[in-house]
Amino acid sequence: GNSVTQMEGPVTLSEEAFLTINCTYTATGYPSLFWYVQYPGEGLQLLLKATKADDKGSNKGFEATYRKETTSFHLEKGSVQVSDSAVYFCALKQAGTALIFGKGTTLSVSS
Amino acid sequence: DAGVTQSPTHLIKTRGQQVTLRCSPKSGHDTVSWYQQALGQGPQFIFQYYEEEERQRGNFPDRFSGHQFPNYSSELNVNALLLGDSALYLCASRWGRLPDTQYFGPGTRLTVL
Repeated sequence: GNSVTQMEGPVTLSEEAFLTINCTYTATGYPSLFWYVQYPGEGLQLLLKATKADDKGSNKGFEATYRKETTSFHLEKGSVQVSDSAVYFCALKQAGTALIFGKGTTLSVSS
Repeated sequence: DAGVTQSPTHLIKTRGQQVTLRCSPKSGHDTVSWYQQALGQGPQFIFQYYEEEERQRGNFPDRFSGHQFPNYSSELNVNALLLGDSALYLCASRWGRLPDTQYFGPGTRLTVL
């Protein structure tokens, strides 16, 4: 069945460091891929998405490229801020089905 | 424009009891989904409602049931609560014609003692 695997955290970085959170998926066909962010005490917010191979989703300085050849959708940011501290979830969705989430990666950024 | 709202924020129940959680979708949205997020885990899909009918269901027992009202709001009911039902319950809404654009509410934290 479809599944999402993301790197385990926590990821601890200093402010202005480069961030990569790895995400790989297993799916038949061509799913849409998403990154969601969950700030402490809040629900999930869509961070970015990509709907087909080689698409790049971007938002708030974060980027992720849909790589079908490696079944990956790694999240990157060039310079993290303390306010980026949150839990990040990679997810996939195929037509007619619900979102399938990874287990989440906790990011902690210190000043 | 209010986003997705859920009530209550927190709830404490004991084993065997029943609970009802409520969700109001974002304005203009007609499809509501419910997810269970256990501590340290990603959300897992429970079911989805559209036009007052359950359209999809995840791998959850019949103790989990729901309802959607004519104004698109929704309820999640859980009967015979187990300790393992303790989780954050998230409601998500979308407009039926934009399946990839879901908005999540802040969730209801359910604790079963």
